[in-house]
This record gives sequence, C-alpha cells and structure tokens, in this order.
Amino acid sequence: EVQLVESGGGLVQPGRSLRLSCAASGFTFDDYAMHWVRQAPGKGLEWVSGISWNSGTITYAGSVKGRFTISRDNSKNSLDLQMNSLRPDDTALYFCVKGSYLAEGIVDSWGQGTLVTVS
Amino acid sequence: EIVMTQSPATLSVSPGERATLSCRASQSVGNNLAWYQHIPGQAPRLLIYRASTRATSIPARFSGSGSGTEFTLTIASLQSEDFAVYYCQQYDKWSRGYTFGQGTQLEIK
Repeated sequence: EVQLVESGGGLVQPGRSLRLSCAASGFTFDDYAMHWVRQAPGKGLEWVSGISWNSGTITYAGSVKGRFTISRDNSKNSLDLQMNSLRPDDTALYFCVKGSYLAEGIVDSWGQGTLVTVS
Repeated sequence: EIVMTQSPATLSVSPGERATLSCRASQSVGNNLAWYQHIPGQAPRLLIYRASTRATSIPARFSGSGSGTEFTLTIASLQSEDFAVYYCQQYDKWSRGYTFGQGTQLEIK
C-alpha cells in the first residue's frame, strides 16, 4: 500500500523559511514522478511543484517560482520542499503526491498533508 | 502557465438527475486532461484521464469528453456519494506545469 507521510509544517513569520519533507513507502519510489499540491483554507487544489523520477525535470507554479525548491533523495525514498520568502498567501495544507504510471502529471496517491501557516 | 477555468462554481442537482461540469484551458492541452473527485476529509480520487478514459473502479455513470481547450465531465443519474468537489487538471507538458481548475462544488438540490 502506498504511504506518503508529510512533515515539517508549522507557523512561520512572513519572509522566513520552512522545509517540508515527505517519507514514501509501499512502491518503488525512483520509478515515479512526485509533486507537491496545496490547498489554502476554503480554496481549491493548487499544483505547486513537480520532480521527475531522476530529478532531471523540475517545474514550479508561477506563484512559487524562485522561492520554493523541490528535491528528492531516491536512496531515502524522500521528497522535500524548501520554501523561502514565505508570504501569507502561502498558508495552506501541503500534500505530497505521487505521479501515476499513466502520466507523470496525473496524481494517483496523496498524503494526509502538513499545514503551513504564514502569519 | 496554463490557466484552467471550471464552471459553474457550484451546481445544485437532485439525486437521480444528470450533472454536467465544464472545464476550459487557456491554451490547448490536447487530451491531457484529468478529473478528480474530492470529498472533504478524504484524498482526492482520480476519475477520468486522457479526457475520456475512466480510471480503475470508476462507475460507468462518470464520463468525460472534449479536447484542446474545452472539456466536460458528465455524471449520469447522481448518487448520494457523488456530491463532492470536482477538479479538472491539465498535464500536457512538464514545462507548462500541471495546473488544476478552481473546482466545482456539486451539491444536493
């Protein structure tokens, strides 16, 4: 069974940094693209960033480009998101999600999320 | 960045009736379009991919259509468990990102 467990969320002041982590298990981690998706309070889903299986392709949403950095360590089955220069509108529940074998951008598994509050 | 726009924001439909949800892309995404169902408190579930292919275990009452910039999700004969938020997502190319629409809340009339 696929398990994705996020950690690292919390309350942070505007302009500060936070690093989120995701521990993956139950699948061959280095076979799949991984992404971060967030959901602000009362809002919809927003794709934040994605990374291909070998870190060869990395993409960001325009709202976070230049401030967030995604990375993965296939030897540790882990995915990270370094968030710098945080703003109040970055406040959201951040989900670690797994890309599907159907296509790298399709999401087939979700973590429970970690809450980031910028205030 | 491709912008996905869903309409309506909220749709009120009676059980047993049909629901039609729309999704528009700001640029052509071919047929690289997925639909997800999100029930609060649960993980979103993939319903449709490649614009019209049902994912594993998705009932036949869910169908998708469209290509390019205009897409539709149709739910025939709504069941009680279908009332949820529905999102479209384009996954055309890495370089364009994988944007979601803002969602359509399907509620019981």
